[in-house]
Amino acid sequence: EVQLLESGGGLVQPGGSLRLSCAASGFTFTSYAMSWVRQAPGKAPEWVSAVSNRGDDTYYADFVRGRFAISRDNSRNTLYLQMNSLRAEDTAVYYCVKTATVTTSSNWGQGTLVTVSS
Amino acid sequence: DIQMTQFPSTLSASVGDRVTITCRASQSISSWLAWYQQKPGKAPKVLIYKASSLESGVPSRFSGSGSGTEFTLTISSLQPDDFATYYCQHYNSYPYTFGQGTKLGIK
Repeated sequence: EVQLLESGGGLVQPGGSLRLSCAASGFTFTSYAMSWVRQAPGKAPEWVSAVSNRGDDTYYADFVRGRFAISRDNSRNTLYLQMNSLRAEDTAVYYCVKTATVTTSSNWGQGTLVTVSS
Repeated sequence: DIQMTQFPSTLSASVGDRVTITCRASQSISSWLAWYQQKPGKAPKVLIYKASSLESGVPSRFSGSGSGTEFTLTISSLQPDDFATYYCQHYNSYPYTFGQGTKLGIK
C-alpha cells in the first residue's frame, strides 16, 4: 500500500523559512516523479512543484519559483520542499503526491499545514 | 500554461439523481485528466484517471468521459455519501492545473 507521510509544517512569520518532508513507502520510490500540491482554506488545490524520478529535473509554479526548492533523497525514500521568503498567501495545507503516470493514478498524503502569520 | 474551466461551481441535487460536471481545458490535453472528490478536512480522493479509468475501489456509479479539451464526470445515481466537492486536474504538461471545483449539495 502506498503511504506518503508529510511533516515539517507549522507557524512561521512572513519572510521566514520552512522545510517540508515526505516519507514514502509501499512503492518503488525511484520509479516515480513526485509533486507538492497545496490547498488554501476554502480554495481549490494548486500544483506547486514537481521533481523527476532521479531528481535531475525540477518544475515550479510561477508563484513559488525562486522562493521554493524541491528535492528528493532516493536513498531515504524522502521528498522535500524548502520554502523561503514565505508570504501570508502561502498559508495552506501542503500535500505530497506520487505523480500519475501513463498507466497509474496519483497518490496523496494527508497533508501538513503551513501557516504564515506574524 | 493550460487553464482548466470547471462548471457548474455549485450544484444541488437529490439522492438518486444523475449529475454531470464538466471540465474544459484551454488546449488539448489528450486524455490526461483526473477527477477528485474531496470532503472537509480530507485530502482529495482520486475517482477517475486518464479521463475514463475508474480508480480501484471507486463505485461504478462514477464515470468519466472526454478527450482533447472537453471532459465530463457523471454520477449515475447520487448516494448520500456523494455530497462533496469535486475537482478536475490535467496532467498533460507542467504546471498540472486544477479546475475551480464543483460543490455538490443536497437539494
